Amino acid sequence: EDQVTQSPEALRLQEGESSSLNCSYTVSGLRGLFWYRQDPGKGPEFLFTLYSAGEEKEKERLKATLTKKESFLHITAPKPEDSATYLCAVMEYGNKLVFGAGTILRVKS
Amino acid sequence: NAGVTQTPKFQVLKTGQSMTLQCAQDMNHEYMSWYRQDPGMGLRLIHYSVGAGITDQGEVPNGYNVSRSTTEDFPLRLLSAAPSQTSVYFCASSYSPGVPLHFGNGTRLTVT
Repeated sequence: EDQVTQSPEALRLQEGESSSLNCSYTVSGLRGLFWYRQDPGKGPEFLFTLYSAGEEKEKERLKATLTKKESFLHITAPKPEDSATYLCAVMEYGNKLVFGAGTILRVKS
Repeated sequence: NAGVTQTPKFQVLKTGQSMTLQCAQDMNHEYMSWYRQDPGMGLRLIHYSVGAGITDQGEVPNGYNVSRSTTEDFPLRLLSAAPSQTSVYFCASSYSPGVPLHFGNGTRLTVT
């Protein structure tokens, strides 16, 4: 069964304390991996797409990486405004999109 | 550009009632989809459409109907609401299924 597992479920950081979120997946054929950010009461907002192992994408304090079995979202020197739920989604052959349950990130000043 | 607009934002229904969740996009996207989001679970696909007049079932279609008469609109109909349909519903669109989705801000539905 295709699965996308995100860990940890929740993460509390102090402002400036760098960390990583994990997205591990088991799908039959990866076409792409997407990261989204979701603020309370809002819809998910697209951050990155990764297509192949070894690929990396960066945006401000966020950096996404991809291996054959997992992706990491690295957060460097986070600020309180980085607090959100981060969702990972994997697209496999046939355009089936499978979402993880998300990681809730809280950054305290 | 409004993007993806969903109405209403909140709705309370009694068991057995029917209603339509509205979704409209102004980006001329061919692909539109409906997801539900429940605590501790990933977004799950209900129905999707690859263009006007074409719809198909997703992972959890039971109890829901859709139609796509125009490129812009993709309403979701609940035929006879059940407490298990209490959830947050998101509409999303994109140029094609393989590219990142644009999401609306959701409809929070409670069925009592």
